[in-house]
Amino acid sequence: GDSVTQMEGPVTLSEEAFLTINCTYTATGYPSLFWYVQYPGEGLQLLLKATKADDKGSNKGFEATYRKETTSFHLEKGSVQVSDSAVYFCALRSPGGNFNKFYFGSGTKLNVKP
Amino acid sequence: DAGVIQSPRHEVTEMGQEVTLRCKPISGHDYLFWYRQTMMRGLELLIYFNNNVPIDDSGMPEDRFSAKMPNASFSTLKIQPSEPRDSAVYFCASREGGSYNSPLHFGNGTRLTVT
Repeated sequence: GDSVTQMEGPVTLSEEAFLTINCTYTATGYPSLFWYVQYPGEGLQLLLKATKADDKGSNKGFEATYRKETTSFHLEKGSVQVSDSAVYFCALRSPGGNFNKFYFGSGTKLNVKP
Repeated sequence: DAGVIQSPRHEVTEMGQEVTLRCKPISGHDYLFWYRQTMMRGLELLIYFNNNVPIDDSGMPEDRFSAKMPNASFSTLKIQPSEPRDSAVYFCASREGGSYNSPLHFGNGTRLTVT
């Protein structure tokens, strides 16, 4: 079945460091891919998305490229800030008949130290 | 836009009691989802509605759980009787139906503790 695997955390970085959070997926066909961010005590917020192969989603300095050949959607940011500390979830939306099925990874906690 | 609104934010109850969680989706969104988040199992889809009609409830853990959507602006998730293993954060989310790629919009969740 469809699924998402993302790197386990926590990830601890110093401010201005480069960030990569790995995400790979399993799906038949061409799913839509998403990154969500969850700050403490809040719900998940959409960070970025990509809907077809080679698309690059970007927002607030974060980027992710939909790689069909490697079934990956890795999240990157060139220079993290303390305010980026949160839990990041990779997700896919099934391309099949039940397009309301969203599958989430287990989440990766990011801690950014000043 | 006020976003998805859930209440209460926190609920503490004793085992055996009935618990009702509430959700107001974003106006105009056709789909409403209930998710449960735990450390062990991550985010699990419990049920979702389209135009107030339940479409897929295969994620509802057992008969103790029930969900309703009496109108486009309100939904409830009820647990009766509650058990300690139901302790989790419950999220409501909505999405608009007009766009195939529209994302989920989540509320801030209800943290349920059953003692």
